[in-house]
Parts: sequence; structure tokens; C-alpha cells
Amino acid sequence: AQKITQTQPGMFVQEKEAVTLDCTYDTSDPSYGLFWYKQPSSGEMIFLIYQGSYDQQNATEGRYSLNFQKARKSANLVISASQLGDSAMYFCANPGSARQLTFGSGTQLTVLP
Amino acid sequence: DTGVSQDPRHKITKRGQNVTFRCDPISEHNRLYWYRQTLGQGPEFLTYFQNEAQLEKSRLLSDRFSAERPKGSFSTLEIQRTEQGDSAMYLCASKAPGGNQPQHFGDGTRLSIL
Repeated sequence: AQKITQTQPGMFVQEKEAVTLDCTYDTSDPSYGLFWYKQPSSGEMIFLIYQGSYDQQNATEGRYSLNFQKARKSANLVISASQLGDSAMYFCANPGSARQLTFGSGTQLTVLP
Repeated sequence: DTGVSQDPRHKITKRGQNVTFRCDPISEHNRLYWYRQTLGQGPEFLTYFQNEAQLEKSRLLSDRFSAERPKGSFSTLEIQRTEQGDSAMYLCASKAPGGNQPQHFGDGTRLSIL
């Protein structure tokens, strides 16, 4: 069974600064992946970035990057140069055997002007 | 690619009534997932389809819930005899073949039980 832990219920960051959102996972699968999604107040879930357990490098996608530390079972999301539009709920998720996602409880990010 | 579409966006109904939600996935996606999300929590998996076959159901899916995907395209989720605890956002997602492909979500249907 998969378990995702996000220990930061809320985070604040100043506009244009970088912020790290924490995610730790627990899985028995030898091969696995981690997804990050963004959910603005309007409700839609937006895919941001994916990291595979066997990927040689940390994933990057524009201003998003993953600090993947396999030994620590952590896959923290780094958002660089924060923008006001980044204010949203952020979820880390791990797919199960049928690729169904197990989500963490999320982190509410607020970007301050 | 028109994205995943869900209908209705909002549904308000009285306790005990039946409700049905519809999800239209991205056309080339063979897998379709239903999730439920309550306030302040992450989405929780309910069930999924590969083409028209329903392959897994969560224990969250009580016998009052039923889902179909009759022709492997759109899907419906029905809740019979609704209860207060059914109030939530119901999210649908679809996924292309391939283990690393992300799920693409619709905007969800927000259900409120009076």
C-alpha cells in the first residue's frame, strides 16, 4: 500500500522567491513514480511534474523541479521565482498497481506580493 | 484535445435522492478514474475503468455507488439514496496508455446534500 505524507498544511512565500514543498512517501513497489499536482481555488487538478524512481536525474519542468532523495523517500517540489498565480493547493501523489493515485493531504501555498 | 469534461459542475439535492454524474475523458485515453475529494483533503480513489471494463473498486465505494463506462468512452457515476456524508467533490481523470503518463482531471462535480 502507498502512503504519502505532506507535513506542511500551509506555506507562505514572497513573490519572486523560491519555495520548497515537502513530500515523503512509503511504498513497497520496487519501481514507482511520484506526481505533483496543483489545485487552484477553482478546483481543477493540474499536472505539474513527474519523477520515476529509476530516473537518473531529478525532474524539471520550467519553474518546477523535484528534489528527489530516494534513500530518504522524499520528493520535494521546488518552485522557483514564485508568481502570484502559484497560490494554490499542491498535492503529491503516488500511483498504485492500477495507476490509481494515492494523494497526500496537500500544502496550501500563498504567494505574497 | 478538449480535456476531460464533467457534468454537472454543481449538484444540490435532498437526502435520499439519486444523482448521476457524467465524465467525458480525453478521446484517446483508455483508462478512466473516479475520485472523491472532501474539503481540505486530497482526492481519494473510488474506481477505475480500462476501456469498458471496471477493474478495481475502492472499499469507499459502497453498494449505493455504481459506475459504468458502457462503450469505453464516457462514464457515469450514480449514487443512490444519497446521504449527508456523500457531500464532496467528485473528480474524474483519464490517462493514456503507459505507466508514466499523468492522469488528466476534469473540473469535478461538487455535490451538496441538503
